[in-house]
Amino acid sequence: SYELTQPPSVSVSPGQTARITCSGEALPKKYSYWYQQKSGQAPVLVIYEDNKRPSGIPERFSGSSSGTMATLTISGAQVEDEADYYCYSMDSSGNHGVFGGGTKLTVL
Amino acid sequence: EVQLVESGGGLVQPGGSLRLSCAASGFTFSTYAMTWVRQAPGKGLEWVSAISGSAEKIYYADSVKGRFTISRDNSKNTLYLQMDSLRVEDTAVYYCANGKDVGDMDVWGKGTAVTVSS
Repeated sequence: SYELTQPPSVSVSPGQTARITCSGEALPKKYSYWYQQKSGQAPVLVIYEDNKRPSGIPERFSGSSSGTMATLTISGAQVEDEADYYCYSMDSSGNHGVFGGGTKLTVL
Repeated sequence: EVQLVESGGGLVQPGGSLRLSCAASGFTFSTYAMTWVRQAPGKGLEWVSAISGSAEKIYYADSVKGRFTISRDNSKNTLYLQMDSLRVEDTAVYYCANGKDVGDMDVWGKGTAVTVSS
């Protein structure tokens, strides 16, 4: 079955740039999405269709996708950005959604 | 304001059934695809099932195919997930989410907890 691969953890100091990667064979043909999940809360969409930011999401969140890798970038990470981040896409058939395993971002 | 409110979770024995509901408001429900996603305790997100606005497209994860049935009632602005032959490994918080198309998930509900245990 199709898989999306993320690093388990990323750690940065406040104000630094955090980059979280997501690799998957179908990413050249399918959009990537990124969700932020803080402890005990429902996920929130932070990037859709590779690089679009929903209203209300701070400009420091950006996304990109090239080849088989999508990247979420948080420029000038803040303490409040500490959360689990999940990438998401569809498989090549477009019939199944798939999440990456999640990346725990620590900002301290 | 878009709101999604899940309900119907609870404790059920292995082999039992449960029906989850997701009440939607704040958007034109019939024009949006809807998705169920679950999260087992301490684990990551798992895509479960999706349905298009008019229900002409329905998809399931392999782990639930043949046991779960997604449906919607556009007159009631409500999404459903009928879960049969439940297994211990189906224990999770179940979230519903809306999207412009199948495969999109924009706004999520707060989830409803399902526990399968004897």
